Amino acid sequence: KAGVTQTPRYLIKTRGQQVTLSCSPISGHRSVSWYQQTPGQGLQFLFEYFSETQRNKGNFPGRFSGRQFSNSRSEMNVSTLELGDSALYLCASSRQGPDTQYFGPGTRLTVL
Amino acid sequence: AQTVTQSQPEMSVQEAETVTLSCTYDTSESDYYLFWYKQPPSRQMILVIRQEAYKQQNATENRFSVNFQKAAKSFSLKISDSQLGDAAMYFCAFTGANSKLTFGKGITLSVRP
Repeated sequence: KAGVTQTPRYLIKTRGQQVTLSCSPISGHRSVSWYQQTPGQGLQFLFEYFSETQRNKGNFPGRFSGRQFSNSRSEMNVSTLELGDSALYLCASSRQGPDTQYFGPGTRLTVL
Repeated sequence: AQTVTQSQPEMSVQEAETVTLSCTYDTSESDYYLFWYKQPPSRQMILVIRQEAYKQQNATENRFSVNFQKAAKSFSLKISDSQLGDAAMYFCAFTGANSKLTFGKGITLSVRP
């Protein structure tokens, strides 16, 4: 089985711009979760989607949003980028929660 | 709210030796999962081992095993016959009913040849 894939792998944006990250889960997995990893805050949960519905949400501002499509692929959007949004964004999928989550390689976002 | 604590930021082990990484957690849930993930320099998060809270038997995966003490809320990882490729950051993580993974701060493991 193919693993979780994330595109793009690297992104450079400037403050005020918006960005969309994509995640394709393992085949058969219906739950997709997003995490932000920074040196200062560590790994933080952003949100989880299951069957096209946001099921859980972390403590992030409304600039961070996501969606899930009928094929379980998920996108995450960050609007009005700030310098502090520079991070590694990890996507993980599982069959249905709670269950083992398998991670993609991440998208490294740099905001200048 | 759940918390996961990894109090040691760094550890070092000689190749072929055994090392134990510590983790404690706090939760009011009775049904949950615990994990150890490895993150090498590539930053890919790799599942090492998982433990279901309802299982009394400690999980093992080849050279990796855990010591799960539910009453003490302790979940340590033992790596036997350490190899150079084991050098990485290791994260202890918890998930309960809400499917959200809560991570510890991680520990950097170095392996001396």
